[in-house]
Amino acid sequence: AQSVTQLDSQVPVFEEAPVELRCNYSSSVSVYLFWYVQYPNQGLQLLLKYLSGSTLVKGINGFEAEFNKSQTSFHLRKPSVHISDTAEYFCAVSEIQGGSEKLVFGKGTKLTVNP
Amino acid sequence: NAGVTQTPKFRILKIGQSMTLQCTQDMNHNYMYWYRQDPGMGLKLIYYSVGAGITDKGEVPNGYNVSRSTTEDFPLRLELAAPSQTSVYFCASSPTLDEQYFGPGTRLTVT
Repeated sequence: AQSVTQLDSQVPVFEEAPVELRCNYSSSVSVYLFWYVQYPNQGLQLLLKYLSGSTLVKGINGFEAEFNKSQTSFHLRKPSVHISDTAEYFCAVSEIQGGSEKLVFGKGTKLTVNP
Repeated sequence: NAGVTQTPKFRILKIGQSMTLQCTQDMNHNYMYWYRQDPGMGLKLIYYSVGAGITDKGEVPNGYNVSRSTTEDFPLRLELAAPSQTSVYFCASSPTLDEQYFGPGTRLTVT
């Protein structure tokens, strides 16, 4: 069964600084990978996803992530953050195997952007 | 499109009471899911459905039941509520293995 580890539970950064949120996964089969964002008191919305093809994936709000199969990682990056990026970010993995349509989520990383 | 809607937004239950959390999607998605979110624990899958009439257990199904009589609706039933079921509940839907679309959540407190 797949699992997801988000290495940092909280990441504080200053506005306009770069940020990287780390995500590692384990699975014995091929996977799809996702990053979701949750703003306070809201549901989750998709930031970006890797299904196949280029390992560098660009998402909304200037975020990008790189799939590294050898390191089983899918780290999320943004070169310059804004106050409005303050939110909780979840990495998720879905195994590509017959009949399995389930996402497994990491525990989340709270990003706080300070002025 | 309203997307995924959930009712109620908030609810307080007494121990031992029952309730149904409603979830409706208007995107004609086959797959629907119920998650619970507890602080610092991410989201845990309770039940899921791959189509009308088909449901299956997720990671934490105990104390819950679901049904899927139509493509649009996927209600979650809590029988004999317990304090351990205090959580935020999210419903989601998906057309395939691709991204899931989440509702706004139901915040449930059991006292």
